[in-house]
Parts: sequence; C-alpha cells; structure tokens
Amino acid sequence: GAGVSQTPSNKVTEKGKYVELRCDPISGHTALYWYRQSLGQGPEFLIYFQGTGAADDSGLPNDRFFAVRPEGSVSTLKIQRTERGDSAVYLCASSLPTAAGGANVLTFGAGSRLTVL
Amino acid sequence: AQKVTQAQTEISVVEKEDVTLDCVYETRDTTYYLFWYKQPPSGELVFLIRRNSFDEQNEISGRYSWNFQKSTSSFNFTITASQVVDSAVYFCALTAYNQGGKLIFGQGTELSVKP
Repeated sequence: GAGVSQTPSNKVTEKGKYVELRCDPISGHTALYWYRQSLGQGPEFLIYFQGTGAADDSGLPNDRFFAVRPEGSVSTLKIQRTERGDSAVYLCASSLPTAAGGANVLTFGAGSRLTVL
Repeated sequence: AQKVTQAQTEISVVEKEDVTLDCVYETRDTTYYLFWYKQPPSGELVFLIRRNSFDEQNEISGRYSWNFQKSTSSFNFTITASQVVDSAVYFCALTAYNQGGKLIFGQGTELSVKP
C-alpha cells in the first residue's frame, strides 16, 4: 500500500482480555518495527523484524507481549492478559532493508490506540 | 546507555516568529545517527531529517534548519517564520551504528503556533 496501515485505530478492552493489533507495512519494506507511545512520551521500541524473524525483541516489556510476521509482510502484535498499564498508542513502522552500518528512515503508521479498562 | 533529552515540553509562539527546539543526546558510540520527526494531531510520525555523527554540517531545508554540534552533544531544530501548520509535537531521536531502526526518542516538544 501507499503507507503503513494499522488496525484497529482504536481498541477498548477490559483488564485480563487478549488483544491483537495488526500492521500492514509498505510494499517492499522488509524491515518492520513496533513501538509503544504512552501519553506525553516519545515512542519506545518494542520489537524489530527483518523478514519473518524477530531480529531484536529486547523492548518487549514482558512475556504477555508477543509479535509475529509469518509471511514477512503483515505483522500482528499480541497482548495477553491485558493490564491497565498497557494502555497506550502502539505504532508500527516499516523501512527498506538496513544497509550495513546504516540507520533506516522509518515510515510510521497512525497507530492503534489501546485502552484497557 | 543512550539518552535523548528535549527539555522544552511545550512552546507557544505567534505566527511568523522564529522558534528553536532543543535536543541534547548522550551516547558512548562514536558512530551514531540523529533524527527529527514531526507528529501532527493525526498521530503519524513524519520524518524530517537524518544526520550521521561524522557530518556536522548544518542543514537548511526551506524554513527548517538544523544545528548539529558534537562538542555539546546537541542537535537543535529551528523553524523560521513559523506557520500555524507547524503546530505539532516534534521528536528528536538517536540510534547507534548498526541498530537500524531501533530509535531512542526524546519526550518531545509540543509546538503551538498561534495566528
């Protein structure tokens, strides 16, 4: 697609429920990132995919958070047993493959706003 | 450890004023990259500039200019003759060599340009 598409744009759930957030990157972008942005803060890195595999998942806060990208395109961020502290905007970004020693210019989606009641 | 500090939480100016957004960073890496992103009310972060640590030349793009000073670990952003459409939250970000898109963001500066 023309840009990074994220669905749903808004999700309200109850504490303890399971949530899935979807990201459809720009066609041809093999690198995909998930970030989390709390109110009044800058985005925080969660996980990075290069192709189908998670190249770096050091930002996932705990084992309730998991992300997949089975075919190297669409990615799903999964949150189990949601807690009120999980409320945030979850941003997805994609980029062309990283050149050695380089730094990618990320194209971000509009985000999925998650509210846990 | 890497860190980005944007000490100005909110700035309010009147249209046509010049405004500078400060960014100070900390890193032990000798090769790194700095970015500025704009986040308008729609929520999508929009890329503005990327600069590597070996290039200290200042850059100008239209009404936007950036001042990179390694000696003070700063990468400040100036908007000349601000416009209402410049109202947004601006983020400075840092990444190390070979970290790709794993960015460390500052807390952001909310710029309000009033007519």
